[in-house]
Amino acid sequence: EVQLVESGGGLVKPGGSLRLSCAASGFTFSGYTMNWVRRAPGRGLEWVASVSSNSDYIYNTDSVKGRFTISRDNAKTLFYLQMNSLRVEDTGVYFCARDRLAWAVFDYWGQGTLVTVSS
Amino acid sequence: AIQLTQSPSSLSASVGDRVTITCRANQGIYSALAWYQQKPGEAPKLLIYDASILENGVPSRFSGSGSGTDFTLTISSLHPADFATYFCQQFNDYPLTFGGGTKVEIK
Repeated sequence: EVQLVESGGGLVKPGGSLRLSCAASGFTFSGYTMNWVRRAPGRGLEWVASVSSNSDYIYNTDSVKGRFTISRDNAKTLFYLQMNSLRVEDTGVYFCARDRLAWAVFDYWGQGTLVTVSS
Repeated sequence: AIQLTQSPSSLSASVGDRVTITCRANQGIYSALAWYQQKPGEAPKLLIYDASILENGVPSRFSGSGSGTDFTLTISSLHPADFATYFCQQFNDYPLTFGGGTKVEIK
């Protein structure tokens, strides 16, 4: 059974940092592109970042460029989102999600972890 | 970035109704569109990808159509479990983008 479990969310002040983790199991992790998607309160879904299976390709949405870094450890079946210089508008539930093979759509999701940026 | 506009933003419907949600892209994206369902407190669920391919395990009352810039998600007969928010997502190009969502509520 495919499972994705996020951790690392919490309350942080503007300008602070957090590192989200996603533990994957139940599939060949090293064969899939992995993603972070967020949903801010009262708003829709927003794709944040993607990392290809061997980390050759990394994509970020413009609003997080230079602040957030996605990475992965295939040996540990973990991937991460390092979030620096956090802003109030980064508040939301962050989901990790797996790409459906050969398609940049998300077929399995974690349960989400809440990030709150507030003074 | 490719912008997706969903309509309506919300609708009220009854069990058994046929429901259609539209998603319009501001440039052509071929058939590179997916649909998701999200319920409060839950992760989104993939329903359809490549505009019309039903994901494994998704009931056949859901269907998708369209190509280029105009797409639709149709629920042929609304079930109680279908009251949720629906999002479209384009995967023609990065940055990947979502529509603003359509909330389907009970009439």
